[in-house]
Amino acid sequence: DGGITQSPKYLFRKEGQNVTLSCEQNLNHDAMYWYRQDPGQGLRLIYYSQIVNDFQKGDIAEGYSVSREKKESFPLTVTSAQKNPTAFYLCASSERTGYNSPLHFGNGTRLTVT
Amino acid sequence: AQTVTQSQPEMSVQEAETVTLSCTYDTSESDYYLFWYKQPPSRQMILVIRQEAYKQQNATENRFSVNFQKAAKSFSLKISDSQLGDAAMYFCAYKGSGGSNYKLTFGKGTLLTVNP
Repeated sequence: DGGITQSPKYLFRKEGQNVTLSCEQNLNHDAMYWYRQDPGQGLRLIYYSQIVNDFQKGDIAEGYSVSREKKESFPLTVTSAQKNPTAFYLCASSERTGYNSPLHFGNGTRLTVT
Repeated sequence: AQTVTQSQPEMSVQEAETVTLSCTYDTSESDYYLFWYKQPPSRQMILVIRQEAYKQQNATENRFSVNFQKAAKSFSLKISDSQLGDAAMYFCAYKGSGGSNYKLTFGKGTLLTVNP
């Protein structure tokens, strides 16, 4: 079955450590996205990528980094520079970045930093 | 910048009844897409329904339908014959056709409770 796989489901880290969240898709989608979700908030865009080897900052990119070396993969690194990293992170993909292309989401990763 | 507002943080409905969730948005674009996503306790985001701004006919997907009022910039979701499995957080989202056509902008969500 085609879909988006995020791993792990739960992740715990100590403050000051970098951590990488995995996102893999087998939908053959060109575009991939990372969103952050906090309680009482909607989803906020961290980074997006329209094609391999290209990515752009979203609304809240500070303290995060990404790579897009393969079409299927779009890992997100939460660096020690991110001031409030504890959150629920959702990866998504779409066939293309056009406005008529809906996003498909993974199951998310809950990151807790103490 | 486009904004999406969901004015009802929480709603409840009796099983088998009908409920309407509200959403308004602000944009200067003439063509765009609007979406409703459902996030159940599993936390996976599931696309419920979508509407293109140029289409006058309201979208319908089984028990889910929308009331799209372009002039009023309103996009409400109606759930008919509510079921226990409809209990979830519902997010309204906007995707424009202009320079930000990559970006899905979300409202803050409405938590729907379905009472047996």
